[in-house]
Amino acid sequence: DTGVSQNPRHKITKRGQNVTFRCDPISEHNRLYWYRQTLGQGPEFLTYFQNEAQLEKSRLLSDRFSAERPKGSFSTLEIQRTEQGDSAMYLCASSLAGGRGNTIYFGEGSWLTVV
Amino acid sequence: GESVGLHLPTLSVQEGDNSIINCAYSNSASDYFIWYKQESGKGPQFIIDIRSNMDKRQGQRVTVLLNKTVKHLSLQIAATQPGDSAVYFCAENMNQGGKLIFGQGTELSVKP
Repeated sequence: DTGVSQNPRHKITKRGQNVTFRCDPISEHNRLYWYRQTLGQGPEFLTYFQNEAQLEKSRLLSDRFSAERPKGSFSTLEIQRTEQGDSAMYLCASSLAGGRGNTIYFGEGSWLTVV
Repeated sequence: GESVGLHLPTLSVQEGDNSIINCAYSNSASDYFIWYKQESGKGPQFIIDIRSNMDKRQGQRVTVLLNKTVKHLSLQIAATQPGDSAVYFCAENMNQGGKLIFGQGTELSVKP
């Protein structure tokens, strides 16, 4: 499978614990995005990278959230001191900047439940 | 603030009929639009896209129409099938920039 891969797919954690999600983008895609989605809502942009550079961060990305893409390939999203409000699906997506449009392909998401 | 929104939260159609899902956007600077299909528990799946220099684009059983005058986007699905049942989102992008702005979504239900 050559699509966007995310893991773990599901994570249940206690409030106050740290969690980390990993995303492997489509091979050769230089852009990688993180979104958050809650039930009944559309995905909300969190941040994106072009290669290893983090180019934009949403105000939704509080200081408890950190995303990295150290080698310009896979990325991690860490949430520290989780809160119940962090419960959501975290979506990763990737694209190839330039060319026709900027088609962004999504992974299947990582579900986080904070109890 | 500027946002992408959908006219109808739910749409129910009979199998075999055509479906039309609408979307309004407010950012005149947006130049690229995408429709996604999202099934329960899965990530959004790319359906079709259109650039702002086009009015219409067709894919397999789907057509996207863009009316820049009234900032309106629609997705037409021909001969709707039960497998088309899902939530459909439109999203906009500016200047081939990074982020997509999504609307709330329309849930399409196909009755056999």
